[in-house]
Amino acid sequence: ETGVTQSPTHLIKTRGQQVTLRCSSQSGHNTVSWYQQALGQGPQFIFQYYREEENGRGNFPPRFSGLQFPNYSSELNVNALELDDSALYLCASSLTSASYNEQFFGPGTRLTVL
Amino acid sequence: QKEVEQNSGPLSVPEGAIASLNCTYSDRGSQSFFWYRQYSGKSPELIMSIYSNGDKEDGRFTAQLNKASQYVSLLIRDSQPSDSATYLCAVSGGSNYKLTFGKGTLLTVNP
Repeated sequence: ETGVTQSPTHLIKTRGQQVTLRCSSQSGHNTVSWYQQALGQGPQFIFQYYREEENGRGNFPPRFSGLQFPNYSSELNVNALELDDSALYLCASSLTSASYNEQFFGPGTRLTVL
Repeated sequence: QKEVEQNSGPLSVPEGAIASLNCTYSDRGSQSFFWYRQYSGKSPELIMSIYSNGDKEDGRFTAQLNKASQYVSLLIRDSQPSDSATYLCAVSGGSNYKLTFGKGTLLTVNP
């Protein structure tokens, strides 16, 4: 069984640029959630995708957007990067969108905005 | 009021001791509770989930849930240096299908 994978591992961008992060969900899982984790903080929910539809969104501006594909892999896009966007971006997959389902995290993408 | 609160630590225990990690939450409708372990520079790893009041044991780990007190804890018996990590408490359910995390508690197990 393949776990959650993310790419790239690390990324360095400059302020104002755009970035796309990718995530492949665990086999059999149809739900992907994205989280942002700043240094010393717990992960913060960005949004969730269930069967290719956005299923909920946290307190993040519209320049954070996403997609889910028919194979349930997902992308997180961030436009007009700001210095505060520097963080570890985590993707988690779960069997379904039900709140009792365990979420399993990928290794993360470390984004640095200069 | 923060939604999920944890003692930030650091919590330091000697090898072989019991480490006790605590978490409180504000949403009374929360139904699902999770403990994640995060090593420095790595992503969170699920170690326990608990849904009903009482204790749930898995190896050296015991999760305890008290919904009336809005309190969940994690006990680690026979602590090992390899248990040194940040432990994140996460809550979902009720009005939230997402995971809401605390800031985490840094545990150090001294040989």
